[in-house]
Amino acid sequence: GAVVSQHPSRVICKSGTSVKIECRSLDFQATTMFWYRQFPKQSLMLMATSNEGSKATYEQGVEKDKFLINHASLTLSTLTVTSAHPEDSSFYICSASRLAGGADEQFFGPGTRLTVL
Amino acid sequence: QKEVEQDPGPLSVPEGAIVSLNCTYSNSAFQYFMWYRQYSRKGPELLMYTYSSGNKEDGRFTAQVDKSSKYISLFIRDSQPSDSATYLCAPPTGTASKLTFGTGTRLQVTL
Repeated sequence: GAVVSQHPSRVICKSGTSVKIECRSLDFQATTMFWYRQFPKQSLMLMATSNEGSKATYEQGVEKDKFLINHASLTLSTLTVTSAHPEDSSFYICSASRLAGGADEQFFGPGTRLTVL
Repeated sequence: QKEVEQDPGPLSVPEGAIVSLNCTYSNSAFQYFMWYRQYSRKGPELLMYTYSSGNKEDGRFTAQVDKSSKYISLFIRDSQPSDSATYLCAPPTGTASKLTFGTGTRLQVTL
C-alpha cells in the first residue's frame, strides 16, 4: 500500500508554455499533499503544501501565480508551471501524507523531470 | 545553523559492511524522525521512522535517536550494492507535518 503516482514522468516543453503535472495517491486518501523541487545533487526544497478544497500554502520565495496548485480531491493534486522558462527546469516531486500510528507518514511520487528549452 | 545537518558523503563501504548514517538536529521540538532512501532520479522512499525517545529495528535497518545530543543514526547491517543511494533524515514540523530535509548522505556499497 501507500503508492503515489505522478504523470508525466518526463516532459520537455518550449519556453513560454504551461505544463501540468498530476499527483495521485493510488491506495489511500491523503490528508495533505506537498510539492517539492530538486536540483541536481541538492536536497528537496518544499514549494507548497496543499489540502483538498482549500488554497495551497506556498513557501517563501515561491511564486504562487507561476506555480498553480489545484487539489481537486483527497487523491489528486496538480501543479501547473505557467509560462515556463529554462530556469524552471528541475525535478518536481509530490508527496501525500496519511496519519498512521500517531505519525504523519509522507509517501513520495516517482518525480517529474521538466526540461524547458 | 540549519535545522537538520548530514554529512553529504559520499560514503563508500564494501559489501557486507555495517553502515552508520548520521544526522544532527537543532530543534528540540521534533517529535519523530523519518528516514528516506532516494535512488538517483527517483522520488524518496520511506524506510522507517522513530520517535524521539527510542530506537527501532526493521530487518537490516536500525534507527536510533539520542535526544540529549540531538543526534540520529541509521544503521544498515550486511550492506548490499542495492543499498547504494542517498539517505535523507527528515523530522516533520508543525501542524501540517512539513518535512525538514537534511542534504542527505550518499552511500556507495561496492562489490
